[in-house]
Amino acid sequence: KQEVTQIPAALSVPEGENLVLNCSFTDSAIYNLQWFRQDPGKGLTSLLLIQSSQREQTSGRLNASLDKSSGRSTLYIAASQPGDSATYLCAVREAAGNKLTFGGGTRVLVKP
Amino acid sequence: NAGVTQTPKFQVLKTGQSMTLQCAQDMNHNSMYWYRQDPGMGLRLIYYSASEGTTDKGEVPNGYNVSRLNKREFSLRLESAAPSQTSVYFCASTKTGQETEAFFGQGTRLTVV
Repeated sequence: KQEVTQIPAALSVPEGENLVLNCSFTDSAIYNLQWFRQDPGKGLTSLLLIQSSQREQTSGRLNASLDKSSGRSTLYIAASQPGDSATYLCAVREAAGNKLTFGGGTRVLVKP
Repeated sequence: NAGVTQTPKFQVLKTGQSMTLQCAQDMNHNSMYWYRQDPGMGLRLIYYSASEGTTDKGEVPNGYNVSRLNKREFSLRLESAAPSQTSVYFCASTKTGQETEAFFGQGTRLTVV
């Protein structure tokens, strides 16, 4: 059974500091891993998709890495801003059955 | 391009009532999913359908049933709603393969009183 874990559950940083968010998964037979952002009371916004054949993906200040063999992904957000305050979720899609499993999320607060 | 459409957006039910949440996608995706999200938590998988004609249980299937009506539509039914089913429900869709990301509906906020 695939288990996806995000540690820490919450993180508070001063504005300008780089953010490092972790996601680990137990079964490496995956199609891809996707990072989402969720603002309070809102839906999910897709940030980055890393395919199983890729090692990293970048979009603006965001960079996500994937190490399938160790079952880990890291989302880096450079030069954090108060507008980056949100909950960040990772989701893994399994190659067997196409099941999509989420981690519990990391709640981020960027203080001005 | 509508993407994933969920109806209704909000619903209040009395304990014991039944209802069906509807989900439709127009991206020709083969897989569809239903999740619930409780306050302060991630999304937990209720049921999913890897392809038309198949459905499988997720982590929290008790109290729910699903129907994959056709390739576009995947509905979630609560036969006898309970207060523990108060939650926000999200529907998603994607394709088999590594290239396609998952797309989500805007969510249905359900309250059972």
